[in-house]
Amino acid sequence: DTEVTQTPKHLVMGMTNKKSLKCEQHMGHRAMYWYKQKAKKPPELMFVYSYEKLSINESVPSRFSPECPNSSLLNLHLHALQPEDSALYLCASSQDDRVEEQYFGPGTRLTVT
Amino acid sequence: GQSLEQPSEVTAVEGAIVQINCTYQTSGFYGLSWYQQHDGGAPTFLSYNALDGLEETGRFSSFLSRSDSYGYLLLQELQMKDSASYFCAVRDRANAGKSTFGDGTTLTVKP
Repeated sequence: DTEVTQTPKHLVMGMTNKKSLKCEQHMGHRAMYWYKQKAKKPPELMFVYSYEKLSINESVPSRFSPECPNSSLLNLHLHALQPEDSALYLCASSQDDRVEEQYFGPGTRLTVT
Repeated sequence: GQSLEQPSEVTAVEGAIVQINCTYQTSGFYGLSWYQQHDGGAPTFLSYNALDGLEETGRFSSFLSRSDSYGYLLLQELQMKDSASYFCAVRDRANAGKSTFGDGTTLTVKP
C-alpha cells in the first residue's frame, strides 16, 4: 500500500468556522508533511512531523494547528481562516525526514468565504 | 536558504526528447529531486540524485553536477500523458525534512 489518503477532498468554510483536514498513511513512514499549494505555484512546506514530533514549523500562522495523533495519522486544524488561505492542502509522507522520496496525498481543496 | 531556477514552460512534440534544467543555490545540499504534477493532481516523485551523474528510470533520466549546482530531467519518447508540471526540489542539510521546490516547468506535449 503506497497510498496517502486525505479527507475531505473539498472544503468550503467561513472565516469563523473551525474545521480539520485529515491525512493517513499505512506505509510505516515516520515523517509526515503538510504543504500549501496555490494555483500555478509550487508546494510550500508548512509543517514536518518526524517520529510524531513536530520538527519544522515554517512560521505558519497560529490559525493553522497541526496534530499527529499516531504514526499513521496527521491532522491540520483550521480556525478563523482568511480568504487568502484558500488553496490546495497537500499531505505527504516519507520513510523518515532524511529520505527525499515523498508520497503525496490527493489534497484537500479549501475555499474560505 | 535555498533558491532554484527552472524554465517556466517547455513545449515539445510526441516522440521527441526534452530536457528541463534546474540550477540551485543552497546553504547545504543533500540532493536534487524531481516531481511531476498533472493538473488537478498531486505531485509524484520521479527521481533523486545525491551524487554526480545520470540516473535512468525508464523513459526518464535525471542528471546532477554538484560542482555546477545544476541538474536536469530528461524525458525521452514523449507521450501526451507527459504534459504536466515538473518541479525540482532540494533538501536543506541543516534542516532535515525541509524540501524547497522550484517554481515548476509546465511541459506541453503536442501531437
